[in-house]
Amino acid sequence: AQTVTQSQPEMSVQEAETVTLSCTYDTSESDYYLFWYKQPPSRQMILVIRQEAYKQQNATENRFSVNFQKAAKSFSLKISDSQLGDAAMYFCAYRKTSGTYKYIFGTGTRLKVLA
Amino acid sequence: EAGVAQSPRYKIIEKRQSVAFWCNPISGHATLYWYQQILGQGPKLLIQFQNNGVVDDSQLPKDRFSAERLKGVDSTLKIQPAKLEDSAVYLCASSQMGIATTYEQYFGPGTRLTVT
Repeated sequence: AQTVTQSQPEMSVQEAETVTLSCTYDTSESDYYLFWYKQPPSRQMILVIRQEAYKQQNATENRFSVNFQKAAKSFSLKISDSQLGDAAMYFCAYRKTSGTYKYIFGTGTRLKVLA
Repeated sequence: EAGVAQSPRYKIIEKRQSVAFWCNPISGHATLYWYQQILGQGPKLLIQFQNNGVVDDSQLPKDRFSAERLKGVDSTLKIQPAKLEDSAVYLCASSQMGIATTYEQYFGPGTRLTVT
């Protein structure tokens, strides 16, 4: 069975600094998708960034980028130039490209941004 | 484009009572998901619909939870009877398709259920 592990329950970063959130996963599949979702205190979850496992190039969305290490089954999120609005819970998620395509989420990392 | 709508936003009930949650997905989205998010945990899939058919309900406690999606649009999740451990946020999400694509899931604001 696939699992997703986020080992950092909470992280803090100074405004304008860079922070990296860690995620590891376990799967026997060779093709899959990985996602980072952001959940602000209002609870509405939004997609931050996605990565297709067959792509070697790391995904980037403005200030957000990932470090995808397929062999190590690691998928970290880097937030550059952190802003107060980045404060939220961040969830790493995995989804197969076959079967029921169920999403599996990690336990989340709470990010605090300090002014 | 209107987002995923959920109601109510908050609900407090006593154990052994019944409760129902409603979700209206984004227009045209064939796939609908119900998640349970217990405080301090990530969302856990309860049930996934493709149109009005069930794709995955392996983690739905079927002795007390039920869900339906009539006409492949709106969906209702019911708990009967509720237990203390059902206290959680219930999230609804939808996507255009759930298979072999990277179509994004769009989440609703959730319903916070407190069982006393």
